[in-house]
Amino acid sequence: SQELEQSPQSLIVQEGKNLTINCTSSKTLYGLYWYKQKYGEGLIFLMMLQKGGEEKSHEKITAKLDEKKQQSSLHITASQPRHAGIYLCGADRGYSTLTFGKGTMLLVSP
Amino acid sequence: EAEVAQSPRYKITEKSQAVAFWCDPISGHATLYWYRQILGQGPELLVQFQDESVVDDSQLPKDRFSAERLKGVDSTLKIQPAELGDSAMYLCASSLGLRNIQFFGPGTRLTVL
Repeated sequence: SQELEQSPQSLIVQEGKNLTINCTSSKTLYGLYWYKQKYGEGLIFLMMLQKGGEEKSHEKITAKLDEKKQQSSLHITASQPRHAGIYLCGADRGYSTLTFGKGTMLLVSP
Repeated sequence: EAEVAQSPRYKITEKSQAVAFWCDPISGHATLYWYRQILGQGPELLVQFQDESVVDDSQLPKDRFSAERLKGVDSTLKIQPAELGDSAMYLCASSLGLRNIQFFGPGTRLTVL
């Protein structure tokens, strides 16, 4: 089984709607990173969470870390076409490399 | 804005041929990573450098893959010979140091025929 499970695998939302993507770890988290990837391109850093209960926001994107549940969520408010892409979570296991989930593909319909 | 540079962006080769990818990290970043991303999967680490030294190459298929970062700045990843299963996106990332935020380049899409 995967160390990092992302759900859902894919998501289609209507423009203006809110959405949440989840990332659950089967192992201890020392930190959790969120990246966004457009098809065929590199990863763009969104946010890093390091402490249990930490919550960060940038523009319309909010990420939270629940250390006890070893889970993070990424919430997008009032989605727009520019939010479309693949969202990847990466886990810091405490030894400098990141383990990534398979990603959640988001499509935003006009 | 500083970016990680990679070249080429796309590479098509036949199996058994040799291929090489180049990465230039953000200036001042001591740590450099090479990842492989298969379609529909997350990136998987191949090799990690701290300056010119290899920190982790446990997932690098050493019979055909090699990586170097001779002067501790730019890096080259080589595959020889390429196999059909090597078709993937090869991503380079850099960070100021160990356990700092990793910034990724645009990737090299490799297709092996």
